[in-house]
Amino acid sequence: AQSVTQLGSHVSVSEGALVLLRCNYSSSVPPYLFWYVQYPNQGLQLLLKYTTGATLVKGINGFEAEFKKSETSFHLTKPSAHMSDAAEYFCAVASQGGSEKLVFGKGMKLTVNP
Amino acid sequence: NAGVTQTPKFQVLKTGQSMTLQCAQDMNHNSMYWYRQDPGMGLRLIYYSASEGTTDKGEVPNGYNVSRLNKREFSLRLESAAPSQTSVYFCASSEGGYGNTIYFGEGSWLTVV
Repeated sequence: AQSVTQLGSHVSVSEGALVLLRCNYSSSVPPYLFWYVQYPNQGLQLLLKYTTGATLVKGINGFEAEFKKSETSFHLTKPSAHMSDAAEYFCAVASQGGSEKLVFGKGMKLTVNP
Repeated sequence: NAGVTQTPKFQVLKTGQSMTLQCAQDMNHNSMYWYRQDPGMGLRLIYYSASEGTTDKGEVPNGYNVSRLNKREFSLRLESAAPSQTSVYFCASSEGGYGNTIYFGEGSWLTVV
């Protein structure tokens, strides 16, 4: 079965610093991978997704992620953190068998310090 | 645009009470979902509906029932609430099909005492 691993539960960066949120996946078929963001007391919204084609995927708010099959990774990055990036970030993989269901990681809470 | 709308937003229940969470989407989506979110657990799928008239169990279906009332509406029922069902519940929808984006509602905070 498909799964994703987000190591750790919390990361803290300074405003203007690089944001790097790690995600590793397990899949027996070519994966479709997603990053979602959840701001406090809100639902989840899509940041970006990888289905096929270009392995570097650009999303909203300056975020991007690179699919690396050899490393089974889909890490999320942003060159310069902004205070408004403080949120919880979830990596997800489409579950096996052509289903549209998603399997989520446990999430990573990002704190941005002034 | 309303998107995915859930009601109620907050609810406190006593153990053993029943309640229904309502969800409606206005995007003409085929697929609808109910997830629960617990600290440190991420989101876990309770039930989903790939199309009107069909429902399937997800990862954590015990203690819940669902109804896909029509294409727009997908309700989640707790027949006899337990403290372990204290959680934040999210309804979501998508066009359906592998890799399509899933759109989420704003969540319903449920406390069972």
